[in-house]
Amino acid sequence: QLQLQESGSGLVKPSQTLSLTCAVSGYSISSGGYSWSWIRQPLGKGLEWIGYIYQSGNTHYNPSLKSRVTISVDKSKNEFSLNLTSVTAADAAVYYCGRVGTYVDSWGQGTLVTVSS
Amino acid sequence: SYVLTQPPSVSVAPGQTARITCESDNIGRKSVHWYQQRPGLAPVVVVYDDSDRPSGIPERFSGSHSGNTATLTISRVEAGDEADYYCQVWDARSDQVIFGGGTKVTVL
Repeated sequence: QLQLQESGSGLVKPSQTLSLTCAVSGYSISSGGYSWSWIRQPLGKGLEWIGYIYQSGNTHYNPSLKSRVTISVDKSKNEFSLNLTSVTAADAAVYYCGRVGTYVDSWGQGTLVTVSS
Repeated sequence: SYVLTQPPSVSVAPGQTARITCESDNIGRKSVHWYQQRPGLAPVVVVYDDSDRPSGIPERFSGSHSGNTATLTISRVEAGDEADYYCQVWDARSDQVIFGGGTKVTVL
C-alpha cells in the first residue's frame, strides 16, 4: 500500500530556507508513470500547488514560487524533497506531498510549518 | 494563468442534493478531479477524470462537466459529507496542477 510521509523543519525563521522531505513506501519512485508533488495549504485557506518532479529529475514549479523553490529526488532512498528559500510569514502552511498522475491519488498526512523568529 | 472558480459555500439539508460548481474557460475540454477535505485531514479524491469514482467512494458522489462548468453532485447528503471540496485540473499549456479555491459544504 502506497504511503507518503513528510518530515522536516516545523519552525523556520523569516528569510531562512524551509526544507522538507517526503518518504515514499509501497511504490518505487524509479518505476515512473507518476510525478511527485508538493502542495501547501495556509491554515483556513485553500490548496496551492508548489511543484512536482519526475523520476527523471525533470521538475515543474508554480510560477509564483519558481524563483524560490527547488524539488529534488533521491531514488536510492525513495524520497523527494522541497527547499523553499527566503521564507516569509506568507509561507506558513500545512505542506503535503503527493503522487500525481493527472490528479493526486495519494497524499501524505501533511506537516505544519510555522514561520517565526 | 488558468483559474478555477468555486462558490465559497453551499448549504444543504440532509437527504437533499448538493451541487458544487467549478467554472473556467473551456473546462469541458479538460479532465476535472474533485477532492473532499475534512477538518484536520489531507484531501481525498472523490471523483477523477470528470466522473469516475475511486473504490470506496459512494455512488452518491458524481461528476459532470460541459462548456465552462464542471459540477460535483452529492446525492442524499449525509452529515458526514460536511467538508471542503476542491476541483482540480492539469493545465497542459503551462504543465501545472491547478486547484479551485474550494467550497465549504454545510449540512443543515
